Amino acid sequence: QKEVEQDPGPLSVPEGAIVSLNCTYSNSAFQYFMWYRQYSRKGPELLMYTYSSGNKEDGRFTAQVDKSSKYISLFIRDSQPSDSATYLCAMSARSQGGSEKLVFGKGMKLTVNP
Amino acid sequence: DTGVSQNPRHKITKRGQNVTFRCDPISEHNRLYWYRQTLGQGPEFLTYFQNEAQLEKSRLLSDRFSAERPKGSFSTLEIQRTEQGDSAMYLCASSLTTRTSGRTDTQYFGPGTRLTVL
Repeated sequence: QKEVEQDPGPLSVPEGAIVSLNCTYSNSAFQYFMWYRQYSRKGPELLMYTYSSGNKEDGRFTAQVDKSSKYISLFIRDSQPSDSATYLCAMSARSQGGSEKLVFGKGMKLTVNP
Repeated sequence: DTGVSQNPRHKITKRGQNVTFRCDPISEHNRLYWYRQTLGQGPEFLTYFQNEAQLEKSRLLSDRFSAERPKGSFSTLEIQRTEQGDSAMYLCASSLTTRTSGRTDTQYFGPGTRLTVL
């Protein structure tokens, strides 16, 4: 079993739809949860960052973390064609003086159709 | 542009050749990470530097791979005797250590170097 599981899709939605992306994880040491967006042939770009359980909202994006269920979600409201990209969940554990390497899901390819 | 830069952006090589990639992190960032991403997969951690010290290496980093970060600035990743299985996107990320409780360093990624081994 991989440490982070993410449905790779692909997912195709009409413009204006609400999109829900999810990841599950198995490592209880993960404390930091991130969502990155990656356009084709580009590096990942940080979208949202959350620490511990709870919700965080930023514009049309909402990130949710449920540590008891080891489950995180990203919601995109009023999706736009420019949101078409691959969305990667990523997690890390706090390390005293060591690396905080990211463990990524496979990525979900999202297409928003005009 | 003050982001992370990587060179070259694309590299095509024949099996058995050596290749070297360069990463220039955001200035003053003390942490530098290398990841590898294959088609349809998320990036996988390879190695990590804090300043010039290489502090962690993944088991994915075979002895054909070597990374350096002289003077704690730019970093190079060399692959010797390339194999077709090395074909991937090699991503570099940098971050600035924060000691603030409850926060982790934000890793900023470069555009990657796409390696194709024929």
